[in-house]
Amino acid sequence: EVQLVESGGGLVQPGGSLRLSCAVSGFTSSRYWMSWVRQAPGKGLAWVATIKQDGSEKYYVDSVKGRFTISRDNAKNSLYLQMNSLRVEDTAVYYCTREGSGDYWGQGTLVTVSS
Amino acid sequence: DIQMTQSPSSLSASVGDRVTITCRASQGISNSLAWFQQKPGKAPKSLIYAASSLQSGVPSKFSGSGSGTDFTLTISSLQPEDFATYYCQQYSSYPLTFGGGTKVEVK
Repeated sequence: EVQLVESGGGLVQPGGSLRLSCAVSGFTSSRYWMSWVRQAPGKGLAWVATIKQDGSEKYYVDSVKGRFTISRDNAKNSLYLQMNSLRVEDTAVYYCTREGSGDYWGQGTLVTVSS
Repeated sequence: DIQMTQSPSSLSASVGDRVTITCRASQGISNSLAWFQQKPGKAPKSLIYAASSLQSGVPSKFSGSGSGTDFTLTISSLQPEDFATYYCQQYSSYPLTFGGGTKVEVK
């Protein structure tokens, strides 16, 4: 059974940092592109970042470039999102997803940026 | 960036109704389009990929069509478990972009 399980969310002050993790099972993560998608409270879905199977290509939405870093450890079947210089508008549930077409999603982890 | 415009933003329907949601891309995306269903407090669920291919385990009452810039998601006979919000997403080019969502409510 394919599973994606996010962790690492929480409450952080503006300007702070968090590192999200996504543990995958039920498939070999090294064979797939992986992404982060977020959803602000009461809003729609918004793509954040994507990483190629071997980590050689990374793509980001403009609003997080220079602040967020997507990475992966295929030996640990894990995906990460390092979030620095957090802003109030980064408050959202963050989902990890498989492939650009999002065929599988985790349950999400809530990040709240507030003073 | 490719803009994805969904319509309507909400609709009211009854059990048994045929429901159609449209999604328009601001430029051609071939068939690189996915559809998702999301229920309150839950993660999105993939329904359709490559515009018209049904994800494994998704009932055949869901169907997708279109290519280029215009796409549709159809639910052939709406059931109580289908009341949810539906999103389209293009994965033709970065940044990946979603439509604004269509909330399907009970009439």
